[in-house]
Amino acid sequence: AQSVAQPEDQVNVAEGNPLTVKCTYSVSGNPYLFWYVQYPNRGLQFLLKYITGDNLVKGSYGFEAEFNKSQTSFHLKKPSALVSDSALYFCAVRDPSGNTPLVFGKGTRLSVIA
Amino acid sequence: GAVVSQHPSRVICKSGTSVKIECRSLDFQATTMFWYRQFPKKSLMLMATSNEGSKATYEQGVEKDKFLINHASLTLSTLTVTSAHPEDSSFYICSAKGLVLNTGELFFGEGSRLTVL
Repeated sequence: AQSVAQPEDQVNVAEGNPLTVKCTYSVSGNPYLFWYVQYPNRGLQFLLKYITGDNLVKGSYGFEAEFNKSQTSFHLKKPSALVSDSALYFCAVRDPSGNTPLVFGKGTRLSVIA
Repeated sequence: GAVVSQHPSRVICKSGTSVKIECRSLDFQATTMFWYRQFPKKSLMLMATSNEGSKATYEQGVEKDKFLINHASLTLSTLTVTSAHPEDSSFYICSAKGLVLNTGELFFGEGSRLTVL
């Protein structure tokens, strides 16, 4: 069974500082990994994904994530945080075969303080 | 890009009534749609998977007679909450997987907040 763990419920960072939101995964084969962001009372917006290829994936709004197979991690990063980045972030994994849903982590709330 | 539209975005109903939520893929054909439920400050819980033209597959613990899912076309899936009760109040989000547009990620609607009085 696939699972995703986001060990932090909340991450606080000062504006302009780098941010990291952690994610580890557990899958039986090669994973499809994703990061989504959710603003209050809104759906999920896709940020980035790792399917294959380069371990460093660049996505929307300046975010990036690094796939680390040995550590089974897919941490989300941004070099310089903005107040507008404050939101709920979800890491997700999906089995690439068939019509499979996303399995989400519990989410991490990011607060960027001015 | 792929757009998924969900309607209504907010609905308030009385206990005992039924509410229908629509999920449409606007610019692609969605062979499969997934319905999620999100409780306040919680993650998304998969409720069911619907494939066009066939019966939905429900996750364990989800009452299929209460949460009726219909996927009658490649662009529309509906979730009907029957005989709604206050405990059904939640944020419901649909997502879609494309027939041709299969780039790995799923595309999400904006969500529907249901409040049952």
